[in-house]
Amino acid sequence: KNEVEQSPQNLTAQEGEFITINCSYSVGISALHWLQQHPGGGIVSLFMLSSGKKKHGRLIATINIQEKHSSLHITASHPRDSAVYICAARRPNTGNQFYFGTGTSLTVIP
Amino acid sequence: DTEVTQTPKHLVMGMTNKKSLKCEQHMGHRAMYWYKQKAKKPPELMFVYSYEKLSINESVPSRFSPECPNSSLLNLHLHALQPEDSALYLCASSLGPNTGELFFGEGSRLTVL
Repeated sequence: KNEVEQSPQNLTAQEGEFITINCSYSVGISALHWLQQHPGGGIVSLFMLSSGKKKHGRLIATINIQEKHSSLHITASHPRDSAVYICAARRPNTGNQFYFGTGTSLTVIP
Repeated sequence: DTEVTQTPKHLVMGMTNKKSLKCEQHMGHRAMYWYKQKAKKPPELMFVYSYEKLSINESVPSRFSPECPNSSLLNLHLHALQPEDSALYLCASSLGPNTGELFFGEGSRLTVL
């Protein structure tokens, strides 16, 4: 069993739809990161969370420490949001080592 | 400047070649990382440098040799690689070894023939 589980693995949405990607973890963490990877490679850090909720533009990330669960929401989705979204749980006191989820591949259709 | 710059973007090499991947950041970050990523898999940590010293080596074969000449630069020297080493190699940096967001480069896509 992976320490970090993401769902769904694949997601197709119509432009404008509200999207939720879920991440559950089974270990102690110091922070939870959401990353975005477009085809061709580069990874962008979207959020770093240790509690509560953060918002950046159309993206919202939440974390429930007690339930060991985080969600990434995309409002008014757009084709340029098509990417792989990766949840990464930072392991405490390990020099920034992470447990990575297997990623959610999102396709937004115009 | 919030960029991590990696060169080259693409590299094709034979199994007997020696080549290097380079990574540069000017954000004053004191932790830098090399990750390897195979298709449709999450990144796998290879090395961590903390304050220019190698702090983590995830049992990486010696045909991969990291080097941190100064706080802004990170190299990965490649020698006698195998075809199964073909992958996307990602460099990242963070403010400190236990803190801060990870900033990733665009990656160097390596093909070993």
